[in-house]
Amino acid sequence: DIVMTQTPLSSPVTLGQPASISCRSSQSLVHSDGNTYLSWLQQRPGQPPRLLVERISNRFSGVPDRFSGSGAGTDFTLKISRVEAEDVGVYYCMQATQFPRTFGQGTKLEIK
Amino acid sequence: EVQLVQSGGVVVQPGGSLRLSCAASGFTLDDYAMYWVRQAPGKGLEWVSLINWHGGSTYYADSVKGRFTISRDSSKNSLYLQMSSLRAEDTALYYCARGDYGGWGAHADYWGQGTLVTVSS
Repeated sequence: DIVMTQTPLSSPVTLGQPASISCRSSQSLVHSDGNTYLSWLQQRPGQPPRLLVERISNRFSGVPDRFSGSGAGTDFTLKISRVEAEDVGVYYCMQATQFPRTFGQGTKLEIK
Repeated sequence: EVQLVQSGGVVVQPGGSLRLSCAASGFTLDDYAMYWVRQAPGKGLEWVSLINWHGGSTYYADSVKGRFTISRDSSKNSLYLQMSSLRAEDTALYYCARGDYGGWGAHADYWGQGTLVTVSS
């Protein structure tokens, strides 16, 4: 199974400041079709997860452009350019290159 | 508008069975891969099962293989998860989620509100 490791597990951030979350996979997420199926999801308190980014850097419909994804191979990053109060929650990376699908442990974003 | 509406929470005894449902609207279920993902209380997300877009292939986490079955009913535009031989460690909030169009689950874009399954005597 591909193990997804996120850092940090907790990230206190000041409003208006940037935030960055790292996700590392135990093996390359490049699929045989050439795509890399790495997604980022946000889970606000008491809510279901919400897709933010798919295939490393493609923002999903309605996601603010302050969210951006980058990376390649086994190392990926989600960046929030200026954190807003509504960004509080837990962020997960997920790989869909292989079965079983696997998630990172989650990174809790909180406001300082 | 894409919506996934899940059945209500339930308490079931260890060893019991249960079927979860997920009614889709705003899109045709058969055209998409569909996911089941669970979240134990206070824990992270765990993939449970996936059915590809035409329903010809199903996939399961090792922890549920042989006990859970994913299926769908085109006439009702609904997704199901039949759960049997339930254990205490199956206690979780179960989410259905839509995968990619014509695909095999490259991402999960829309999520249901979740169904709480509690396995307890």
